[in-house]
Amino acid sequence: KNQVEQSPQSLIILEGKNCTLQCNYTVSPFSNLRWYKQDTGRGPVSLTIMTFSENTKSNGRYTATLDADTKQSSLHITASQLSDSASYICVVRRSGGYNKLIFGAGTRLAVHP
Amino acid sequence: NAGVTQTPKFQVLKTGQSMTLQCAQDMNHNSMYWYRQDPGMGLRLIYYSASEGTTDKGEVPDGYNVSRLKKQNFLLGLESAAPSQTSVYFCASSYLDGTGNTEAFFGQGTRLTVV
Repeated sequence: KNQVEQSPQSLIILEGKNCTLQCNYTVSPFSNLRWYKQDTGRGPVSLTIMTFSENTKSNGRYTATLDADTKQSSLHITASQLSDSASYICVVRRSGGYNKLIFGAGTRLAVHP
Repeated sequence: NAGVTQTPKFQVLKTGQSMTLQCAQDMNHNSMYWYRQDPGMGLRLIYYSASEGTTDKGEVPDGYNVSRLKKQNFLLGLESAAPSQTSVYFCASSYLDGTGNTEAFFGQGTRLTVV
């Protein structure tokens, strides 16, 4: 079954600290993986995309990794800010067809001062 | 710079009532989608439209209908609302270029409560 599992479900960190969010997937055949940030009351916004051949990609303080062999991805946030408080959603696209997006349930991150 | 616009933002319905959620995009995207987001679950696809005039069922289509008469608009209808349809609904659009790498852009969501 095509699934995307994220951990932890929720996380609280202090401002300025780093954190890492995990995503494990069983989606096949794999096309790409995106990390989205969803602020409260808003729609998800893409942070980064990882294709099969990519291992690491950075977008400012966000760094995503992908291990296609173990079907795992992580999102590392460096020097967290209060504005990082949001849900982070891992989305895996299957190859073929018009829309084969499989969404994880997300990790809810709270950054406290 | 509107992107994807959904209306209304909030709605309360009584069981059995019908309504239409509206979605408009100004990015000339060919594909549009309707998702629902429930607590503790990932977004689930209700319906999608690969192009103007075509629609297909997603993962959870029961109780809904859709219409894509214009490229920029995608409407989601609830024929007879049920409490199980209480959810946050997101519309999204994307341009399909064959690579599968194009980004889906989401609206701000419609929070629907059925009492």
